[in-house]
Amino acid sequence: SQKIEQNSEALNIQEGKTATLTCNYTNYSPAYLQWYRQDPGRGPVFLLLIRENEKEKRKERLKVTFDTTLKQSLFHITASQPADSATYLCLAAGGYNKLIFGAGTRLAVHP
Amino acid sequence: EAQVTQNPRYLITVTGKKLTVTCSQNMNHEYMSWYRQDPGLGLRQIYYSMNVEVTDKGDVPEGYKVSRKEKRNFPLILESPSPNQTSLYFCASRDFLSSYNEQFFGPGTRLTVL
Repeated sequence: SQKIEQNSEALNIQEGKTATLTCNYTNYSPAYLQWYRQDPGRGPVFLLLIRENEKEKRKERLKVTFDTTLKQSLFHITASQPADSATYLCLAAGGYNKLIFGAGTRLAVHP
Repeated sequence: EAQVTQNPRYLITVTGKKLTVTCSQNMNHEYMSWYRQDPGLGLRQIYYSMNVEVTDKGDVPEGYKVSRKEKRNFPLILESPSPNQTSLYFCASRDFLSSYNEQFFGPGTRLTVL
């Protein structure tokens, strides 16, 4: 079955370092991937989109890559700050409204 | 302010007592969707609507109903709630013309079925 997998374990990093989160997909060829941020008790908020024909997208301190050979997307936050602490969700989209979310990875940035 | 609103935010009910969770958006979006979020499972789509009077099942539609009589509203109906429907529910909307295809989410409704 189609599956999106993200690291279930929390990622703990020091302020100023680069955080790298992984999203792997199987049995699926998404037309695009999105990354969302979710804070406790709140709805997800859209961050970035990358399409299958794109290798990399950037937005301020955020960077996302899409490797269709590895079936993987990497999400990077450079110069991380404690305010970046949140859960980050990967969404894969393909076909007619076939939207699949990963379970999310919790990021904790320590001062 | 552009937003998606949901009501109620918190609800505790008993098995079998019909309930409705309302969802409304003020962005004139064609697409609306309901998700449930459970620990370790992520967001799973329940139902979605491409426009007024057009609805379709997502991945986990059993036990739920929806209607889309107006563009701005997309209520989620649980005719006979059961404890396995205890979850955090999110409504979302999307503009088909957006190049980012981003979904805008409501604040969530935490439902407990006893």
